[in-house]
Amino acid sequence: EVQLVESGAGLIQPGGSLRLSCTASGFIFSDYALHWVRQAPGKGLEYVSSISTGGTTTYYADSVRARFTISRDNSKNTLYLQMGSLRAEDTAVFYCARGGRVGGAKQYFFDYWGQGALVTVSS
Amino acid sequence: QSALTQPASVSGSPGQSITVSCTGTSSDVGRYDYVSWYQQHPGKAPKFLIYDVNNRPSGVSTRFSGSKSGNTASLTISGLQAEDEADYYCISYKGGLSPYAFGTGTKVTVL
Repeated sequence: EVQLVESGAGLIQPGGSLRLSCTASGFIFSDYALHWVRQAPGKGLEYVSSISTGGTTTYYADSVRARFTISRDNSKNTLYLQMGSLRAEDTAVFYCARGGRVGGAKQYFFDYWGQGALVTVSS
Repeated sequence: QSALTQPASVSGSPGQSITVSCTGTSSDVGRYDYVSWYQQHPGKAPKFLIYDVNNRPSGVSTRFSGSKSGNTASLTISGLQAEDEADYYCISYKGGLSPYAFGTGTKVTVL
């Protein structure tokens, strides 16, 4: 069974830093691209960041580029999101999601999602 | 980034069919056949429903179907059931440095 479990959430002051982790199981971790998606309270889903299977290629939403860093440790089956210069508008539930594969080829969808981790930025 | 436009709400009676639209541009929905759809119940993680415009992953009910015309993709739910009451989101690949565009979300209500 595919499982994605986020951790590291909490309350952080504006301007602070926080690292989220997403531990995966039930699939060959290094075969899949991975993503972070967030959802502010009462709002819709918002794209945050993506990372390739080997970790060499990364992508970011304009709203987080230069403040957030995505990374992965394939030996630990873990995805990370290092968040810095946090703002009140970063308050959200952060989901990690697995990228799709069909017939062994990378696909452009998100097939499994974690349960989410709430990050609250407030003084 | 510009979000894909979805109606804020759509409603229907049990057994009816409803359609949720997702309007983008020629740079995202209109350019790529990589539109996917997700269902989210309150307090829960999104659930994957449709990929590549009109493909259902195994385990997803055949009552859910997708289509696309020009810059607009659509999700149709046929034989509407009470359990279908949820928020629905579309996502389109668009390439570039920020490669995914997300829909604004639609609340589906079963009357």
